[in-house]
Amino acid sequence: AQRVTQPEKLLSVFKGAPVELKCNYSYSGSPELFWYVQYSRQRLQLLLRHISRESIKGFTADLNKGETSFHLKKPFAQEEDSAMYYCALSRMDSSYKLIFGSGTRLLVRP
Amino acid sequence: DTGVSQDPRHKITKRGQNVTFRCDPISEHNRLYWYRQTLGQGPEFLTYFQNEAQLEKSRLLSDRFSAERPKGSFSTLEIQRTEQGDSAMYLCASSLGRGDKAFFGQGTRLTVV
Repeated sequence: AQRVTQPEKLLSVFKGAPVELKCNYSYSGSPELFWYVQYSRQRLQLLLRHISRESIKGFTADLNKGETSFHLKKPFAQEEDSAMYYCALSRMDSSYKLIFGSGTRLLVRP
Repeated sequence: DTGVSQDPRHKITKRGQNVTFRCDPISEHNRLYWYRQTLGQGPEFLTYFQNEAQLEKSRLLSDRFSAERPKGSFSTLEIQRTEQGDSAMYLCASSLGRGDKAFFGQGTRLTVV
């Protein structure tokens, strides 16, 4: 069965510190991996997807198929990065539905 | 706001009552998804439409749940004989096509008392 695991419920760092939000997945095929973010009182929105291989707001994520991981990283956290982050995978089948992890709350302290 | 809109934003209902939620996707998006999110969890897939056809339903979608997208535009999700376990945030998302970016609505928070 497909599953996405985010082991940390809460990650608290100081402004300017590096951030790494962990995500591991289980899937027998080749999924597409995503990071979604939800800022306070806002809707869920796509942050980045692995096939784009881009950096958004300073965040990057590399798909490691050997370790089945897709960790989200940022070298210097900003207070405005405080939000709920969800890792998700899609099987790239006809539905392209998303399977989400349980989320990690990132708190960046001044 | 030209994004995905959901109505109502909040719904409190007594156990046993029926409720209906509406989702208006982004215009011209032919894919529409419903997800459910409970406290402390990520969204879980419920069902999806391509145009007016409902092509997949999760096992989470019991017989008390029904979704429609009659003209391939807006969609409704109805829950009959609500139970306390139905209390959750119900999210709608739409995308232009397969593999395209999904845009989420702000959700409808259902509380069953």
